[in-house]
Amino acid sequence: EAGVAQSPRYKIIEKRQSVAFWCNPISGHATLYWYQQILGQGPKLLIQFQNNGVVDDSQLPKDRFSAERLKGVDSTLKIQPAKLEDSAVYLCASRKPGTYKNIQYFGAGTRLSVL
Amino acid sequence: QQQVKQSPQSLIVQKGGISIINCAYENTAFDYFPWYQQFPGKGPALLIAIRPDVSEKKEGRFTISFNKSAKQFSLHIMDSQPGDSATYFCAASGIQGAQKLVFGQGTRLTINP
Repeated sequence: EAGVAQSPRYKIIEKRQSVAFWCNPISGHATLYWYQQILGQGPKLLIQFQNNGVVDDSQLPKDRFSAERLKGVDSTLKIQPAKLEDSAVYLCASRKPGTYKNIQYFGAGTRLSVL
Repeated sequence: QQQVKQSPQSLIVQKGGISIINCAYENTAFDYFPWYQQFPGKGPALLIAIRPDVSEKKEGRFTISFNKSAKQFSLHIMDSQPGDSATYFCAASGIQGAQKLVFGQGTRLTINP
């Protein structure tokens, strides 16, 4: 079974520019998560989708971050405009439906450097 | 209340030794406690998980010990090997509702050969 795919793997931009990340979850996984992992810290949830609906976006800085999952499969996360403190790894994860175990499968992430 | 506190930040263990990482939580609504392993350049991968109705779970060389009254849980790696060198994260979530995972800060484990 293919894992969670993310692209690009690396991105370097200047502050105030915009950037977008793409995620393709494991086939059949209805729940999709975007996390921000700052160097030396644990992942922090930004947004959770169930199919194409948002379940939790309480920690998403909505003035600059947006995310969508239009057809309930792929998802994109956008930052506009980027700030220096947005430098981090952005991880996408997905979870099977119908299980009490919260087993999330992570992609390799996109490492963003904002200069 | 949503925090999970993890210690130590880094740990060096000799090959064959026991590695122990500790976590503490405050939210009594948490009822699922996984440990994730992350290698450089990779995403976290589930290693082992426990629910609070048991005090210990063992899978191979990896054991979770859980103390519900103290709201603490720990990961023990027996016979630690150089291939175990990675960053380990504890996490917690509820099993109802959004099932949001809250991660600890991570422990960088180095196993010396």
